[in-house]
Amino acid sequence: EAGVTQFPSHSVIEKGQTVTLRCDPISGHDNLYWYRRVMGKEIKFLLHFVKESKQDESGMPNNRFLAERTGGTYSTLKVQPAELEDSGVYFCASSQDGTSGSGGSQYFGPGTRLTVL
Amino acid sequence: RKEVEQDPGPFNVPEGATVAFNCTYSNSASQSFFWYRQDCRKEPKLLMSVYSSGNEDGRFTAQLNRASQYISLLIRDSKLSDSATYLCVAEDSSYKLIFGSGTRLLVRP
Repeated sequence: EAGVTQFPSHSVIEKGQTVTLRCDPISGHDNLYWYRRVMGKEIKFLLHFVKESKQDESGMPNNRFLAERTGGTYSTLKVQPAELEDSGVYFCASSQDGTSGSGGSQYFGPGTRLTVL
Repeated sequence: RKEVEQDPGPFNVPEGATVAFNCTYSNSASQSFFWYRQDCRKEPKLLMSVYSSGNEDGRFTAQLNRASQYISLLIRDSKLSDSATYLCVAEDSSYKLIFGSGTRLLVRP
């Protein structure tokens, strides 16, 4: 079974540019999560989709970040315009079940390493 | 104050040693807890869930103390392949994961 995949693996852009990250969850997983780890900090939650609906977007840092999951399959996370502090590793995770205790069933993708110069 | 606190380490131990990691959490409403393992420049992977009754998986034992909001991980007979960062994770009331910053373990020959 294919795991969670993310594209690109690395992205280097200049401040003010736009970048779009993509996540393909495990087939059949309705729950999709975005997390981010900035340098020297812990991994932090950004948002949670259930199918195509945003269940929780409380972790999105500001309105420069836009996440979509059209059709309830893959998801994109767009940063526009990118700022220096957006640099970090963006992880996507998916799970079949989104209820209590399901944290143990979140499978993470390899991440996209974003560098904003 | 961070929601999940861990000693960053590194813990540098010889092969065969027993090592223990501790973690505290601040949100008493958290229901579920996990230890994840993260290798350098890789994604986090679930190591084990943590229960109040304690649970063991081979050389790994995890324990949760809800009264003191404390979580532990014990690794016995350390192997070189155990070298990694160990992430203490709480699941909040919205079912999202709250990560600690991780404890780095180095097992030397």
